[in-house]
Amino acid sequence: DTGVSQDPRHKITKRGQNVTFRCDPISEHNRLYWYRQTLGQGPEFLTYFQNEAQLEKSRLLSDRFSAERPKGSFSTLEIQRTEQGDSAMYLCASSFGEAGAIYGYTFGSGTRLTVV
Amino acid sequence: DQQVKQNSPSLSVQEGRISILNCDYTNSMFDYFLWYKKYPAEGPTFLISISSIKDKNEDGRFTVFLNKSAKHLSLHIVPSQPGDSAVYFCAASGDSGNTGKLIFGQGTTLQVKP
Repeated sequence: DTGVSQDPRHKITKRGQNVTFRCDPISEHNRLYWYRQTLGQGPEFLTYFQNEAQLEKSRLLSDRFSAERPKGSFSTLEIQRTEQGDSAMYLCASSFGEAGAIYGYTFGSGTRLTVV
Repeated sequence: DQQVKQNSPSLSVQEGRISILNCDYTNSMFDYFLWYKKYPAEGPTFLISISSIKDKNEDGRFTVFLNKSAKHLSLHIVPSQPGDSAVYFCAASGDSGNTGKLIFGQGTTLQVKP
């Protein structure tokens, strides 16, 4: 297993455009998390899935953001009508059940979004 | 409201000496505390964790201490090595049922000088 994969690694987009990121978790992990990290801050929770069900969304996740995890495998995070404030590193992580909160998730390398 | 705080943005130590990274929290409902290390252009990597019912956990060169009464934890790295130079985040979990959600601090950049 190659760990958690995120694609693309970098994305530059013009304000107002839509972007979509993909995350492939570790295959046996049933939980998948999305976090956002801005400069000088720690990762902030956005949303998480258990299998294909999205169980919680942060207030940070405005209606321009949508996440899916069809069939409980890979996940996508879409941002519509991007704004400059969306510029950040978007991190995906996976774990088996709640174990990640005790023994640590496995994070991907992230997608760095720059909105110009 | 920042529930997990790392008040030192940076720390510089000499190779071979001890590095002490500090973290404070406000929510007494947290069950577990974790430390992650992050290199540039990589995702955070889990280092070590501690349950709220313990006061110390050790793994090789890394030891985490928890002082519940002070709502404070620290990560000790002994001896420090240049490869330890990275951003260190503390995180906490358990205040929101079984979501597994982590609340992270702002991070401390550690530089270990050869």
